[in-house]
Amino acid sequence: DTGVSQDPRHKITKRGQNVTFRCDPISEHNRLYWYRQTLGQGPEFLTYFQNEAQLEKSRLLSDRFSAERPKGSFSTLEIQRTEQGDSAMYLCASSPRTWETQYFGPGTRLLVL
Amino acid sequence: SQQGEEDPQALSIQEGENATMNCSYKTSINNLQWYRQNSGRGLVHLILIRSNEREKHSGRLRVTLDTSKKSSSLLITASRAADTASYFCATEVRVSGSRLTFGEGTQLTVNP
Repeated sequence: DTGVSQDPRHKITKRGQNVTFRCDPISEHNRLYWYRQTLGQGPEFLTYFQNEAQLEKSRLLSDRFSAERPKGSFSTLEIQRTEQGDSAMYLCASSPRTWETQYFGPGTRLLVL
Repeated sequence: SQQGEEDPQALSIQEGENATMNCSYKTSINNLQWYRQNSGRGLVHLILIRSNEREKHSGRLRVTLDTSKKSSSLLITASRAADTASYFCATEVRVSGSRLTFGEGTQLTVNP
């Protein structure tokens, strides 16, 4: 049973560039979540999907952020025109249904120079 | 604002001692989950306790939940150096549907 995987694990980019992260949830988990974590803080919710439908977005998810889950399996999170304030760990999690354990991937660490 | 607040922010103990971390939250919850995070790594799920449960055990871990006080505690018994990590509580609230709201964590250091 494979866990949640994320790619890439690390990304360094220059301010103004676009970046895209990928998350592969645990097989048959229909709920997928994105969180962001900055140094010394707990993770903060960004958005979640049930199958291919994006059901909730945090106000943290500005217009420069977009997330998709086109076939209800893997998901991508794109950040356009990156800013230094976007530097953080981006975490993906999945769960089989509501009110159940969310299993987290290893995260993608983004550094915007 | 953060739903959960952990206490203490940092805890340093000797190997073999017990470690207790507390979490308080503000609104009614459906469940509360504890996670561990080693430096720079992803979150590892430890225990989920539902709002109608008062205590759960898993190996050396014991979690309690007091919904009247809106608080939870995580006890790690007979600590080991490998338990050194940050510990987070996260709540899943009734009205939000699915999101987890995390506290800022407790940094536990277990000295050999």
